[in-house]
Amino acid sequence: LAKTTQPISMDSYEGQEVNITCSHNNIATNDYITWYQQFPSQGPRFIIQGYKTKVTNEVASLFIPADRKSSTLSLPRVSLSDTAVYYCLVGEGNDYKLSFGAGTTVTVRA
Amino acid sequence: EPEVTQTPSHQVTQMGQEVILRCVPISNHLYFYWYRQILGQKVEFLVSFYNNEISEKSEIFDDQFSVERPDGSNFTLKIRSTKLEDSAMYFCASSTRALTGELFFGEGSRLTVL
Repeated sequence: LAKTTQPISMDSYEGQEVNITCSHNNIATNDYITWYQQFPSQGPRFIIQGYKTKVTNEVASLFIPADRKSSTLSLPRVSLSDTAVYYCLVGEGNDYKLSFGAGTTVTVRA
Repeated sequence: EPEVTQTPSHQVTQMGQEVILRCVPISNHLYFYWYRQILGQKVEFLVSFYNNEISEKSEIFDDQFSVERPDGSNFTLKIRSTKLEDSAMYFCASSTRALTGELFFGEGSRLTVL
């Protein structure tokens, strides 16, 4: 499993864009990059997944440079309800054992 | 929207008792997982299950733990003799594809061992 490193916490204000960068220097060829969100006492929720370049969905964008050694989750115009822990996971194509790191606690203030 | 459902939402048990946590994965999913999260700590992988057998398990998943898919819909985690340190939130997850990591998690079952 590729080891990931992400900031422990980030603070933001409503309406701002939040960018969380995850480092995964030993990412393998078959690895995908996936981000999850977790609210207190709830199960993690899938946000976005990508392999290379840029992926965008209705809630976030994921930027992956050509070397794939890092990735950045971008949350546009956050609201108070986006306060949560965000996890970056990197996993091989046929490896079911996806474990979560410490994650980044994002706190959005009014 | 299809979802993974877990029961019970909270269970309190005495140390040494057996506990069974139940999960109903999303119906067309083929891969099933259990994770746990001790209060204030990270989400830890326990076990993955595919084609009626364990695919992978972590060091946490020792002989006290077992998983089963007794019928076409349920996926269970059994802890044979609970310890105080088994107190945690247990999350079930399921997915359609082995090639990527898109997991759908349930809301969790909180286990309190006294």
